[in-house]
Amino acid sequence: QVHLQESGPGVVKPSQTLSLTCTVSGGSISSGTDYWTWIRQSAGKGLEWIGRVYTSGNTNYNPSLSSRVTISVDTSKNRFSLKLTSVTAADTAVYFCTREPLRDPHQFDFWGQGILVTVSS
Amino acid sequence: QSVLTQPPSVSGAPGQRVTISCTGSSSDIGAGYDVQWYQQFPGTAPKLLIYGNTNRPSGVPDRFSGSKSGTSASLAITGLQAEDEATYYCQSYDSSLSASVFGGGTTLTVL
Repeated sequence: QVHLQESGPGVVKPSQTLSLTCTVSGGSISSGTDYWTWIRQSAGKGLEWIGRVYTSGNTNYNPSLSSRVTISVDTSKNRFSLKLTSVTAADTAVYFCTREPLRDPHQFDFWGQGILVTVSS
Repeated sequence: QSVLTQPPSVSGAPGQRVTISCTGSSSDIGAGYDVQWYQQFPGTAPKLLIYGNTNRPSGVPDRFSGSKSGTSASLAITGLQAEDEATYYCQSYDSSLSASVFGGGTTLTVL
């Protein structure tokens, strides 16, 4: 059973960079069988797909966020990360990391518990 | 405003059958992309309930079923139980947006 756990600061100041990490256990990011994805949930915009990374480092981003988003993978530590620059109050949300099987793309079968990030000075 | 449209709420008595609709467009559901359904309880992460339009992951009761037709999909829950009270989200992929998209969620109340 794959387990994902988000970590990072719960508060980020406006205009700064939000940085989160997702540690994967019970499965290997290096297996090459999955994409690793970030999704966020806010009261204002509901669930929003942010982007994904493959074990090779290849990424796909939501065009609405692509100018501010970077997702990277660290296979040696079996984890992947999210960076979102120039944050505003609109980026306040619960951020989830998920697994997206390569064989069934655009489906999210395992989710982390989520981490609330508040943008506030 | 979400790309996929769901009713904000539905309700039913224990034992009854309820359905939740999910309406998309020609660039997502209508383009042939699969629809997934997720169940979410307050304070927890969404859980995959239906994938590939009609398939249930291991452990999901067969009281839950999904269907798809044209630019819409539906989730049906039969034999409604109190434990089914949750918010349900549909999800697909939109080729014009180049992104996975979600519905706004439907809150199910068991009367």
